[in-house]
Amino acid sequence: ELKVEQNPLFLSMQEGKNYTIYCNYSTTSDRLYWYRQDPGKSLESLFVLLSNGAVKQEGRLMASLDTKARLSTLHITAAVHDLSATYFCAVDRGDYKLSFGAGTTVTVRA
Amino acid sequence: DVKVTQSSRYLVKRTGEKVFLECVQDMDHENMFWYRQDPGLGLRLIYFSYDVKMKEKGDIPEGYSVSREKKERFSLILESASTNQTSMYLCASPPRPGLSTYNEQFFGPGTRLTVL
Repeated sequence: ELKVEQNPLFLSMQEGKNYTIYCNYSTTSDRLYWYRQDPGKSLESLFVLLSNGAVKQEGRLMASLDTKARLSTLHITAAVHDLSATYFCAVDRGDYKLSFGAGTTVTVRA
Repeated sequence: DVKVTQSSRYLVKRTGEKVFLECVQDMDHENMFWYRQDPGLGLRLIYFSYDVKMKEKGDIPEGYSVSREKKERFSLILESASTNQTSMYLCASPPRPGLSTYNEQFFGPGTRLTVL
């Protein structure tokens, strides 16, 4: 059974500072996803990471993947209020079946 | 754009009722999935389907069944709703391999079900 551990579960960020969310998973996988969810809304796809060493960036968010360590990180640079949301990592265990982390609820304060 | 729609955003039902949640995708995808989302647990896979008339159990199928009579529609059925099925239900439909977005997984808007 593929287990996905995400931490921290809650993250209070100060505007302008940098933070990292970690996603560890227990078995090998071809694909790792990062999603954002706003309260009451569905999941918005942020990144899909396919190979070891993959790095993707969009605005203040950067995701990376280390398949040997079974670790992905989501780095937030100079946090702003608009980034307040819940972030999920999800690992494809084959044929598009996803195992999700518990989510990291991010709050950005002034 | 890929579009995944779900029949209701909010639903309130009583214990013991039979409940139907519907998911429709308009891009001719073979694959469709149902997840439920609960605080602190992330999303968990209930059932999935790789083709019409085909269905497979996910990780938490107990208390649920599904129907896939047409390619674009995948229904989740709660045979006799119980309070522990109060949750957010999300449908997903990944595209076929070969499409430029085939690594994406697109989710519907979700149905928040409350069972009283």
